[in-house]
Amino acid sequence: QKEVEQNSGPLSVPEGAIASLNCTYSDRGSQSFFWYRQYSGKSPELIMFIYSNGDKEDGRFTAQLNKASQYVSLLIRDSQPSDSATYLCAVTSGSARQLTFGSGTQLTVLP
Amino acid sequence: GAGVSQSPRYKVAKRGQDVALRCDPISGHVSLFWYQQALGQGPEFLTYFQNEAQLDKSGLPSDRFFAERPEGSVSTLKIQRTQQEDSAVYLCASSNRDNSGNTIYFGEGSWLTVV
Repeated sequence: QKEVEQNSGPLSVPEGAIASLNCTYSDRGSQSFFWYRQYSGKSPELIMFIYSNGDKEDGRFTAQLNKASQYVSLLIRDSQPSDSATYLCAVTSGSARQLTFGSGTQLTVLP
Repeated sequence: GAGVSQSPRYKVAKRGQDVALRCDPISGHVSLFWYQQALGQGPEFLTYFQNEAQLDKSGLPSDRFFAERPEGSVSTLKIQRTQQEDSAVYLCASSNRDNSGNTIYFGEGSWLTVV
């Protein structure tokens, strides 16, 4: 079992809809949770980070964390074609400084 | 520079050839990470430096992989006797704090193809 699991997709949503991206992790000691966006051929770009249970909102993006269920999600409201990319979930655990990534979910927003 | 700079951007190597990939982190950044990203996968951790000290190399896949950061700034990832399975994007990232995540910045990557 991979440490961080994501549905690979592709996930397609129409423009203006809500896109919901999900991630589960296996290490209960995971402390910090991140969502990165990666356009094709580009480097990962941080969108959101969350440390505590509950929701965290930033513009059109909302990160949700449920440590009991070992689940973190990203909601994108009013999806735009420019949101089409691969979304990577990443976690840090314990004293480890590096990020552990999932394999990513490819999102396509249809105009 | 303004961001993390990596070179070469693209490298084609013949199987068995040695390659060296360079990373120039953001000035003053203490932490430096190397990741390997295969096509369709997320980045996989290779190694971590804090200044010139290599504190974690647990992700290096074999003894053909070697990384250094002798003066605590520029880092080089060297792959000896390249194999086809080494074909991937090699991402360098730097951070200005000891922890990761919300202060980490990625370079554009070095795309390695082994033929």
